[in-house]
Amino acid sequence: GAGVSQSPSNKVTEKGKDVELRCDPISGHTALYWYRQSLGQGLEFLIYFQGNSAPDKSGLPSDRFSAERTGGSVSTLTIQRTQQEDSAVYLCASSLGLDEQYFGPGTRLTVT
Amino acid sequence: SQQGEEDPQALSIQEGENATMNCSYKTSINNLQWYRQNSGRGLVHLILIRSNEREKHSGRLRVTLDTSKKSSSLLITASRAADTASYFCATDTNAGKSTFGDGTTLTVKP
Repeated sequence: GAGVSQSPSNKVTEKGKDVELRCDPISGHTALYWYRQSLGQGLEFLIYFQGNSAPDKSGLPSDRFSAERTGGSVSTLTIQRTQQEDSAVYLCASSLGLDEQYFGPGTRLTVT
Repeated sequence: SQQGEEDPQALSIQEGENATMNCSYKTSINNLQWYRQNSGRGLVHLILIRSNEREKHSGRLRVTLDTSKKSSSLLITASRAADTASYFCATDTNAGKSTFGDGTTLTVKP
């Protein structure tokens, strides 16, 4: 079956604009994760959904970041008033329960 | 320092040699996973070891877990040039939070 998909694959935006990133998890996967990876760095945990609820939002860097998940499936990560330090690859992963996470290809965000 | 730290940060070996990477963490975990990331590519899951397991094998990979020391090791035997990548450990808690380290960059010279 299809893996985790993310869109867009690349996004270039001007500083101050809002962006919305989308993640389509593997069908049936109850858990969904968002991460951020800056150039040459490891992954930074942003947020985790179990179903539609997010028990842990502690990783969101600021109140400019928000995420939602509807219908226990698609999730969107929204960054408002983007800053240059938001430039990174944003990765989404899904899992069945709390086991192996399957990663999407990521969205490369560049804020100019 | 953060949960899930890999050591060393960089490792360079000759093809055919073994590569060992270590991961240390701080809090109790549900499981620990190792991932590989080739340059500019997505993450590939390698192996998962649960908190009640001590060792797992998968092909040329061997993972150990010592919960008393809060550490894990990934051993790649008979390395190949294609193993060149960054390797990350990730710890999962029962609350679902998954924390990755900064990774070990492995270079295997042909």
